[in-house]
Amino acid sequence: DAGVIQSPRHEVTEMGQEVTLRCKPISGHNSLFWYRQTMMRGLELLIYFNNNVPIDDSGMPEDRFSAKMPNASFSTLKIQPSEPRDSAVYFCASSWAARDSGKLFFGSGTQLSVL
Amino acid sequence: GDSVTQMEGPVTLSEEAFLTINCTYTATGYPSLFWYVQYPGEGLQLLLKATKADDKGSNKGFEATYRKETTSFHLEKGSVQVSDSAVYFCALIKAAGNKLTFGGGTRVLVKP
Repeated sequence: DAGVIQSPRHEVTEMGQEVTLRCKPISGHNSLFWYRQTMMRGLELLIYFNNNVPIDDSGMPEDRFSAKMPNASFSTLKIQPSEPRDSAVYFCASSWAARDSGKLFFGSGTQLSVL
Repeated sequence: GDSVTQMEGPVTLSEEAFLTINCTYTATGYPSLFWYVQYPGEGLQLLLKATKADDKGSNKGFEATYRKETTSFHLEKGSVQVSDSAVYFCALIKAAGNKLTFGGGTRVLVKP
């Protein structure tokens, strides 16, 4: 298996632009997580899905952020409009919750810079 | 709420030195405990885990023992290598839960 695949690897955009981050989880996994990592705030859980359904989005910072999981093999995290304070590394992770709760497989992340 | 507290880094060591990273947790019930490692430019990956009191998780020369009496899960390695330079995260998950609670991470730098 190729692991969790995220794209793009790097994204540089200007303030006010829409940004879409993409994630393909490991085949067969039924849980998907979006995290944000910054020096100041560390690792933050933004939202997670079980069986494509959003379960907990309490970590989504504000209405500018939205996430979707239209099927078991694809998820997006969208920021509209983007702001400089959104600059961070965004990670997607997946797991097979019923079999091995807590064992997450992370993608390589998307480094987002908002100018 | 649940929380995980780790020693702040960076921790700088020489090769072959002994490494300890302290981790304590606050949680109700009987959580499972984890150590994740993040190498430069990569996502986190599971290093080891323990699911009940007195369990010892081990992997790649690293060990950690689930101590319920002290609510701790300290990570140790007897002889570190330069390749162990990374950020280490302690985490917990509640029984029947699906959401990890991570500590703030500890950066380790091993010098040759």
